[in-house]
Amino acid sequence: QPVLTQTPSASASLGASVTLTCTLSSDYSDYKVDWYQQRPGKGPRFVMRVGTGGIVGSKGDGVPDRFSVLGSGLNRYLTIKNIQEEDESDYHCGADHGGGSNFLVVFGGGTKLTVL
Amino acid sequence: QITLKESGPTLVKPTQTLTLTCTFSGFSLSSSGVGVGWIRQPPGKALEWLALIYWDDDKRYSPSLRSRLTITKDTSKDQVVLTMSNMDPVDTATYYCAHYQWQVLGGYWYFDLWGRGTLVTVSS
Repeated sequence: QPVLTQTPSASASLGASVTLTCTLSSDYSDYKVDWYQQRPGKGPRFVMRVGTGGIVGSKGDGVPDRFSVLGSGLNRYLTIKNIQEEDESDYHCGADHGGGSNFLVVFGGGTKLTVL
Repeated sequence: QITLKESGPTLVKPTQTLTLTCTFSGFSLSSSGVGVGWIRQPPGKALEWLALIYWDDDKRYSPSLRSRLTITKDTSKDQVVLTMSNMDPVDTATYYCAHYQWQVLGGYWYFDLWGRGTLVTVSS
């Protein structure tokens, strides 16, 4: 099964841009991942899915245009432009694997984004 | 508007069985292309997927926890229940339920909306 690796923390100034990375373990370069945003004290919400061709499908409800994704090799990126205070959150990536009784969903460790 | 809310005990003793209920609104779990999943997050740690149930009663479980988990649905009550047996202090976590949706545009399933979670502590 794939392992997803995320940097534990990141920071960016108000109005700046930041790129968060989710790295897949080797042999899983064709996998797509889902990005989730989790604001303090709330459950996660879906941001968008990304593969090597970029976004797959559509963004989650209410996700601003400032959020975009790219995929390259084993890396899946989430970029936030013109960072706002409300973007301070934990960001998780997840991917599903297998099918039938072997189906499972795996998540990365999450990245805590601090807005300075 | 879809909402989900988790409920259950906040404290359980080791070896006991945990029963959590997800009460939802804004969708029907008898409609095709819909499911509900459970995911947990130990304090300071990563999310961990536990189980899924689909509108047609098909079920999926985490391989590492399969022997301890049971997921069921009650469409008349708009509820999904997860039971986890033989609880241990390492099972201390915030437990979330989430709406699982088929996205037609992208052709995939995903967790689009989550509840706020409920913290369960396992301690004697």
